[in-house]
Amino acid sequence: DARVTQTPRHKVTEMGQEVTMRCQPILGHNTVFWYRQTMMQGLELLAYFRNRAPLDDSGMPKDRFSAEMPDATLATLKIQPSEPRDSAVYFCASGSDPTGTLFNEQFFGPGTRLTVL
Amino acid sequence: GESVGLHLPTLSVQEGDNSIINCAYSNSASDYFIWYKQESGKGPQFIIDIRSNMDKRQGQRVTVLLNKTVKHLSLQIAATQPGDSAVYFCAENPPGETGANSKLTFGKGITLSVRP
Repeated sequence: DARVTQTPRHKVTEMGQEVTMRCQPILGHNTVFWYRQTMMQGLELLAYFRNRAPLDDSGMPKDRFSAEMPDATLATLKIQPSEPRDSAVYFCASGSDPTGTLFNEQFFGPGTRLTVL
Repeated sequence: GESVGLHLPTLSVQEGDNSIINCAYSNSASDYFIWYKQESGKGPQFIIDIRSNMDKRQGQRVTVLLNKTVKHLSLQIAATQPGDSAVYFCAENPPGETGANSKLTFGKGITLSVRP
């Protein structure tokens, strides 16, 4: 049963600390998305990659957030320095487009719940 | 800017009844819509999608209806079960983003609560 995995599942840190969240997309998927979910804003797209290349990171605060895909099996989202307002659940999702169709299903991971004190 | 929104924050239904969850979208150029279900502590899960050249699509116990005239999307769940209790999101492909795995804009979400 192929799934997107995310680590850690929970993270509590203090303001100013660096936070790194990791995602392993489903094997063979060529697109990876990072979302942030809060009660106030709902699900917000932070960044996404296709074939490891960043396509859009307009939703991400550039001064403190960075997203990378070191290889096809790993996506990372870093926050440095972290702030209390970054507290949220961060989801990674992956998808594939082997036939060039317009099917747009994204498979979500379980999320990382981040609390910045 | 234009965004996807939901009419009601919560919906309570009796087990066995049909549920209808509504979503309004403001961007008439959007051409692809998806419903996701999110259970507590989990990530969103795809339910059903529909393109703008369709007005209805059926899945297993679920039906999505699209009314482009009033820019309205709905999700109908037949014979609602306790396992259907979750938060439901509608999402759209913004203009210029059409294509597999393009970015989606999500609505705020509505909670469906099923009474036994």
